[in-house]
Amino acid sequence: EVQLVQSGAEVKKPGESLKISCQGSRYSFTSHWIGWVRQKPGKGLEWMGITYPDDSDTRYTPSFKGQVTISADNSINTAYLHWSSLRASDTAIYYCARLAETDTYIDVWGKGTTVTVSS
Amino acid sequence: SYELTQPPSVSVSPGQTASITCSGDKLGDKYASWYQQKPGQSPVLVIYQDNKRPSGIPERFSGSNSGNTATLTISGTQALDEADYYCQARDSTTIVFGGGTQLTVL
Repeated sequence: EVQLVQSGAEVKKPGESLKISCQGSRYSFTSHWIGWVRQKPGKGLEWMGITYPDDSDTRYTPSFKGQVTISADNSINTAYLHWSSLRASDTAIYYCARLAETDTYIDVWGKGTTVTVSS
Repeated sequence: SYELTQPPSVSVSPGQTASITCSGDKLGDKYASWYQQKPGQSPVLVIYQDNKRPSGIPERFSGSNSGNTATLTISGTQALDEADYYCQARDSTTIVFGGGTQLTVL
């Protein structure tokens, strides 16, 4: 079964940095776009951005550009979402998601990583 | 930027048909997909490319997309279908989600 396994929950203080991960298994990691989705408590899904592991082509939704960095390490089939300086407003669940081969929908979701930012 | 609009909530009686709409400019020219999310769980794909069901999704889930509106239809709605539903489309190089619809079965 194709899987995206995400790293565990994090509790951080404002201003700290953080990198969360998403490891793909049982499929060709470099052949699918991997994206990140934010869900704030009690709110809807927000598309943050996407990367294509094969060539590192990375694109961001305008509201997230400059706020986070998306990357991937093909040697370990892992995608990352990185913050250099967290804010309380970054508190949310973050899902990684694999785009299907047609690139028009998400066919596999990770279980989510809960990030809590509080002083 | 491209926007998708869904009603915040829809209610349906058990056994009846629930319809959830998703509106966007010329949405019918794009592929629409739908995800179900239950509390504390990741979203699950229930319809892709307008009207296709992934393996394991019951036949009571169906979809359509024309003009400016995509519709998710759940026939013979069951209590276990109570969840949030999100539509999604691809606009240029980005993925766009609707705001979500809370389906209540009562």
